[in-house]
Amino acid sequence: GESVGLHLPTLSVQEGDNSIINCAYSNSASDYFIWYKQESGKGPQFIIDIRSNMDKRQGQRVTVLLNKTVKHLSLQIAATQPGDSAVYFCAENRGGGADGLTFGKGTHLIIQP
Amino acid sequence: DTAVSQTPKYLVTQMGNDKSIKCEQNLGHDTMYWYKQDSKKFLKIMFSYNNKELIINETVPNRFSPKSPDKAHLNLHINSLELGDSAVYFCASSHRTASNYGYTFGSGTRLTVV
Repeated sequence: GESVGLHLPTLSVQEGDNSIINCAYSNSASDYFIWYKQESGKGPQFIIDIRSNMDKRQGQRVTVLLNKTVKHLSLQIAATQPGDSAVYFCAENRGGGADGLTFGKGTHLIIQP
Repeated sequence: DTAVSQTPKYLVTQMGNDKSIKCEQNLGHDTMYWYKQDSKKFLKIMFSYNNKELIINETVPNRFSPKSPDKAHLNLHINSLELGDSAVYFCASSHRTASNYGYTFGSGTRLTVV
């Protein structure tokens, strides 16, 4: 399944399938990007990051792809599990060392048994 | 445990009151932030402090006044609370290294103004 992170859309996938969550970012000068997972009642939890000099980075069951030409970021989750149910946010570094993050609007991932 | 911790977790108060939310990080980070998450889950930065110095104030009403007594603490004081202030407020910290920024978030304070 695939989704674009606008107005908190919902992505529903079958357990065991792969999930793809997409995000468009705004600042072509951003040098650093992060994907966060937020479970109900908790703060954003780091999943994976990528610097602007890379176009792909892999973690455990997750892969982030960066396309700077079209300012697009995606998160791929392999073999989705029930514990992956959450809201997923992309975030871009605003610049410098203390400018914080600009967040995308989030995508709610629902896992169906 | 190394973390960003904020208190209280829940805060219910009446319009017009003044309240504070506290935040502490023991990660040795030099920058701390406050973010606001609205009812649609949208997260937006409010303030950034680096080594106790205000770096960013994102057009937040001056009823909101952050205070950083040292670089491990960033408290948020809100005067004359309004219904629209109801949201979840997240504290975060970071420290820039060669490879990343180490952004770490607290678990949030749900503020309800009635």
